[in-house]
Amino acid sequence: DAKTTQPPSMDCAEGRAANLPCNHSTISGNEYVYWYRQIHSQGPQYIIHGLKNNETNEMASLIITEDRKSSTLILPHATLRDTAVYYCIVRANNNAGNMLTFGGGTRLMVKP
Amino acid sequence: EAQVTQNPRYLITVTGKKLTVTCSQNMNHEYMSWYRQDPGLGLRQIYYSMNVEVTDKGDVPEGYKVSRKEKRNFPLILESPSPNQTSLYFCASSSHGGGKHEQYFGPGTRLTVT
Repeated sequence: DAKTTQPPSMDCAEGRAANLPCNHSTISGNEYVYWYRQIHSQGPQYIIHGLKNNETNEMASLIITEDRKSSTLILPHATLRDTAVYYCIVRANNNAGNMLTFGGGTRLMVKP
Repeated sequence: EAQVTQNPRYLITVTGKKLTVTCSQNMNHEYMSWYRQDPGLGLRQIYYSMNVEVTDKGDVPEGYKVSRKEKRNFPLILESPSPNQTSLYFCASSSHGGGKHEQYFGPGTRLTVT
């Protein structure tokens, strides 16, 4: 699976949009971009995933660049409960073990 | 409510005393997996199961056993725990194996082996 690079930390004001970037310049054609988050020591929580089109669900939006070398997770109206570590993961769709490899992630701090 | 449950949530034990951490999911998922999380090492897969009676090793299987006799349950067994197995353990499930299905995680089990 391709390696990802994320900033180690970010701050966001409550109620504002949080934009979390991820670089995955070595991504290959069959690899999906996934985002998970982990609130302190809780189980990781799935947020969203995509292949090449932008995606939106009730939690977030995922914007993938046309060359697929980077993506941005957008939390449209961040709340204090969105404070967590956010992980960007790239995985092939033939990952038989379905293994998730979490890098360092971005620690998002939402402030009042 | 769709969920993955783990028990116990916290456990302190001594070296060599066999223990089992249970994991159960109510989503009829085929795929289940165990991870451990340690500071600076991220999440590492221990074992996974693609379906009933089908299990396979992940990245760090040494010292662990699993079984999958029923679809909903995937217990993690430590036959002779050692202090280096002190960790935060997560069970996860997804509808199928392969790389394009999101995983749902349990709340975690914090294990301390003295």
